Amino acid sequence: KAGVTQTPRYLIKTRGQQVTLSCSPISGHRSVSWYQQTPGQGLQFLFEYFSETQRNKGNFPGRFSGRQFSNSRSEMNVSTLELGDSALYLCASSLLTVSSYNEQFFGPGTRLTVL
Amino acid sequence: DQQVKQNSPSLSVQEGRISILNCDYTNSMFDYFLWYKKYPAEGPTFLISISSIKDKNEDGRFTVFLNKSAKHLSLHIVPSQPGDSAVYFCAATRKGAQKLVFGQGTRLTINP
Repeated sequence: KAGVTQTPRYLIKTRGQQVTLSCSPISGHRSVSWYQQTPGQGLQFLFEYFSETQRNKGNFPGRFSGRQFSNSRSEMNVSTLELGDSALYLCASSLLTVSSYNEQFFGPGTRLTVL
Repeated sequence: DQQVKQNSPSLSVQEGRISILNCDYTNSMFDYFLWYKKYPAEGPTFLISISSIKDKNEDGRFTVFLNKSAKHLSLHIVPSQPGDSAVYFCAATRKGAQKLVFGQGTRLTINP
């Protein structure tokens, strides 16, 4: 079974631009979560999508948004990029059951550099 | 507000010995805990987890211990192998939730 894939793997943008990152979950997984990893803040939860609906959102400004498509693929968008948005953006997918715990499988990440 | 803390940024252990990584949490609502291993330029890989109804879970060389009263968990790796050198993240969550709250990570180096 193929793992979580993320594209692109590396991206360089300049301040003020916007960026869209893509994530394809493991086949059959309907929940997709996004995380940001930076040296200073560590791994932080951005948001989670299930059945095309955002179920949970972390403490990030509105410049960070996402969506999920009917095939469970997800995209996240960052508008008006700032230098501090330079980070590794990780996508994770899981089966979703409300009555149990669900292991999350992570993709390799997209390394975003803002100049 | 750091709800999950890994106070040791790095740990160096000799090959064959035991590695012990520690994690503390403050939110008593957490009832499920996970350890992930991460190599550079890769996403975290799930290692082992434990529910709050248990105090120990074992999987091969990896054992996780949970002390609910102290809000503390630890990961034991024995024997340690060179391939175990990586950054280890502790994470916490709640039943049915998908949001993982991560610690800052501990860089483990296994010396031959």
